[in-house]
Amino acid sequence: QSALTQPVSVSGSPGQSITISCIGTSDDVGGYDYVSWYQQHSGKAPKVMIYDVSYRPSGISDRFSGSKSGNTASLTISGLQAEDEADYYCGSYRNSPASHVVFGGGTKVTVL
Amino acid sequence: QVQLQESGPRLVKPSETLSLTCAVSGVSVNNTYHWGWIRQPPGKGLEWIANVKYTGYINYNPSLKSRVTVSLDTSMNQFSLKLTSVDAADTAVYYCARDRGGATSDIWGQGTLVTVSS
Repeated sequence: QSALTQPVSVSGSPGQSITISCIGTSDDVGGYDYVSWYQQHSGKAPKVMIYDVSYRPSGISDRFSGSKSGNTASLTISGLQAEDEADYYCGSYRNSPASHVVFGGGTKVTVL
Repeated sequence: QVQLQESGPRLVKPSETLSLTCAVSGVSVNNTYHWGWIRQPPGKGLEWIANVKYTGYINYNPSLKSRVTVSLDTSMNQFSLKLTSVDAADTAVYYCARDRGGATSDIWGQGTLVTVSS
């Protein structure tokens, strides 16, 4: 069982917006502004899309945005495109019992 | 351009030690970043293992700490993972990555599948 809870799947039509949630606790998501989101296409290494809750690395489309409220972080993909179909994982810093990183179980995004 | 490449045995016997190395190019491992390992069992999600900094400071996944050793070789510009007493549950694609802090691994190796089987 993963430390962070994500929906198993989310789908949307091209052009629509979707949001993926990531539920943690006050020991991780709720306690620190250190949440990242990763995109993983089949057979490929993960790629960071959002870091530190809401920052986009250079080269990442502004269609991807991140936010956090309490113990829940969210990734929103706007203007959904076929190339966005992939698995998405959230990750968070946790400092209990020691500093480490925890991941969600992953969400399969399907573009209808 | 920073690149990471994992190497090591693809098949390990149960109860033995899994050993992997990550060669880093384009940047020195002797800098402000942490260098880490993440794994992904076939068809499953990501699991963070550990990371190490040039200062010698190491962060571990508490659930794996008793079996994990990570180290940095600044002369070869690489870092390594050892996982002892492996069993079938340790079969996974193992990724090395550069950690920029928080929960952010910004550069990843391509990953290597390690199978635990007799």
